[in-house]
Amino acid sequence: GIQVEQSPPDLILQEGANSTLRCNFSDSVNNLQWFHQNPWGQLINLFYIPSGTKQNGRLSATTVATERYSLLYISSSQTTDSGVYFCAALSGSARQLTFGSGTQLTVLP
Amino acid sequence: NAGVTQTPKFQVLKTGQSMTLQCAQDMNHEYMSWYRQDPGMGLRLIHYSVGAGITDQGEVPNGYNVSRSTTEDFPLRLLSAAPSQTSVYFCASGGQGVGAYGYTFGSGTRLTVV
Repeated sequence: GIQVEQSPPDLILQEGANSTLRCNFSDSVNNLQWFHQNPWGQLINLFYIPSGTKQNGRLSATTVATERYSLLYISSSQTTDSGVYFCAALSGSARQLTFGSGTQLTVLP
Repeated sequence: NAGVTQTPKFQVLKTGQSMTLQCAQDMNHEYMSWYRQDPGMGLRLIHYSVGAGITDQGEVPNGYNVSRSTTEDFPLRLLSAAPSQTSVYFCASGGQGVGAYGYTFGSGTRLTVV
């Protein structure tokens, strides 16, 4: 099946800094989702982005499907951005998600 | 519109006990899935369904059963709980537009097997 790899595994930032998280996938995908898992364990949809670029406030995402990667940009980070960021690739006829192992982001005040 | 509802939120079982984790969605979605999340890891697919009456195994199906008798409900059954099944379980649903709009996740069930 498809393999999804995320980098870096851990990231520590000072409040106000910018960051880029990367997601590589091994095969073509129907869709690519980014999630934020908050400290309470909830999975929050950030983007579904099979290709191109989307923006939502301080967050934006770009997927280059032909080169099999996606990037999540966080600008002017805040302590509330802390948590784990997952990307997940939708593929196959059964349209199921395969998750990466996540990036643990810590934003220090 | 409640989205995806999982019950219970927390559960402690003794080894060998059985139980059912409930998942319900009110969005008339065809696709439903169960995942488990272990510490420091991503989510792994247990079982999934592409419509009522149709289920299939994911990456880690052993020790779990599912059925899909209605579009709304997709319960996950633990047949004989083992400590290795201590995990956080997430249910997700997606509609025909899942390729464009993605999946919606429930809030999770934290299960401890002692």
